[in-house]
Amino acid sequence: AQSVTQLGSHVSVSEGALVLLRCNYSSSVPPYLFWYVQYPNQGLQLLLKYTTGATLVKGINGFEAEFKKSETSFHLTKPSAHMSDAAEYFCAVSDVGSASKIIFGSGTRLSIRP
Amino acid sequence: EAGVAQSPRYKIIEKRQSVAFWCNPISGHATLYWYQQILGQGPKLLIQFQNNGVVDDSQLPKDRFSAERLKGVDSTLKIQPAKLEDSAVYLCASSLALASGRTDTQYFGPGTRLTVL
Repeated sequence: AQSVTQLGSHVSVSEGALVLLRCNYSSSVPPYLFWYVQYPNQGLQLLLKYTTGATLVKGINGFEAEFKKSETSFHLTKPSAHMSDAAEYFCAVSDVGSASKIIFGSGTRLSIRP
Repeated sequence: EAGVAQSPRYKIIEKRQSVAFWCNPISGHATLYWYQQILGQGPKLLIQFQNNGVVDDSQLPKDRFSAERLKGVDSTLKIQPAKLEDSAVYLCASSLALASGRTDTQYFGPGTRLTVL
């Protein structure tokens, strides 16, 4: 079965610093991969997704993620953190064969220090 | 464009009581999902509808949970009777369509936070 592992339940960075949130997936076949963001008391919002093609995916709010098949990773990065980036981030995966069934990781809470 | 609407936003009940949640998806979205998000965890799919038919309910605890989407638009999720471990946020999401091998963006509502005492 598909699964994702998010390394670090809580990440804290200073405003202006690099944001790196780690995600590894388990699959023998390259799946579809997603990053979602959840602000307090709100639903999830899609940041970006990888399906096929270019392995570097750009999303909203300056975030991007790179699909690395050799490392089974899909880490999320942003060059310069902003206070408004403080939220919960979820990595997710789905099978190509059942693309609508998304399996979410346990989440990483991102805090931004002034 | 209006987003996914859910109500109520918060609900507190005692164990063994029943509760219902309502979801109205984005207009024109054929696929509707209900997720359960327990504190500290990612959302877990409970049930997926395509129009008014069930596509996947393999993780729905059918002894106490039920869901319907009678007219293929809005949907209701019910828990009867509730247990303490049902305390969670219940998220509704919708997407445009389901096509084999494709993944449509799922749009999420704000959720209903259920507390079972």
